[in-house]
Amino acid sequence: EIVLTQSPGTLSLSPGERATLSCRASQSVSSSYLAWYQQKPGQAPRLLIYGASSRATGIPDRFSGSGSGTDFTLTISRLEPEDFAVYYCQQYGSSPWTFGQGTKVELK
Amino acid sequence: EVQLVESGGGLVKPGGSLRLSCAASGFTFSTYTMNWVRQAPGKGLEWVSSISGSSTYIYYADSVKGRFTISRDNANNSLYLQMNSLRAEDTAVYYCAREYYGSGSPWGYWGQGTLVTVSS
Repeated sequence: EIVLTQSPGTLSLSPGERATLSCRASQSVSSSYLAWYQQKPGQAPRLLIYGASSRATGIPDRFSGSGSGTDFTLTISRLEPEDFAVYYCQQYGSSPWTFGQGTKVELK
Repeated sequence: EVQLVESGGGLVKPGGSLRLSCAASGFTFSTYTMNWVRQAPGKGLEWVSSISGSSTYIYYADSVKGRFTISRDNANNSLYLQMNSLRAEDTAVYYCAREYYGSGSPWGYWGQGTLVTVSS
C-alpha cells in the first residue's frame, strides 16, 4: 500500500498570499497518477488536479500541481477567500487507492 | 449534467446490516467504474470499494473485505453497497464517486454523501 504523507497539517495564511502544500509518497506513484482534491465543510471533495499537474475542468489557474515519483506539490498562487478549505492528495495508480491525511488552509 | 445521489444511510446497531444506494444520471453509467469512499466524522477520506462497468473487476479495502459487497444495476443506473457485520469504526459519511474521464482517472464526480452511524 502506498502511504501518502501531507505537510504541513495546517497552513495559516491571509488572502493574496501563496500556499504551498506537500504530498510525499512511501513509494513511487506510477505514471504520476496523483490527484489533489479540495473539501469544504459539509461538502463532497472537489477534484482540482489530476496526473500531478493537469487542472480539472473549471479549476482556476491559480491552482497548479507539480512533482513526480514520490514528491508532489500543490500551489495556490494567490489565495482567494473561497480557497480556505482542506486539501487532500490521492494516488490512483495502484490498489488500494489511498489519500493523504489532508492539509487545512486556514485564515490567519 | 452528471448527478450522483446516495441514499440508505442511518443508525444501525453493531453487528447489523445496511444497504446503500447511489442513483446515477447524466452519463452512460455502464461505461464507468464506480467507487465508494467514506469519511469518518472529523477525519480524512478512505477508499472503500470499486466496481468496473461490467462488474468484472471488484476491489475492496482490507478494512471492509468480507463484510461489504459492492454491486451495480446498469439497467437502472444504480450502484449499491451492502454492509454487514457493521462496527463502530464504520461510522462515516459514504460517498459514491465516478471516474473523471474513464479508466485510470481519479474521481471527478461525487454525490453529496449519506451518513451511516453504527452505535448501540
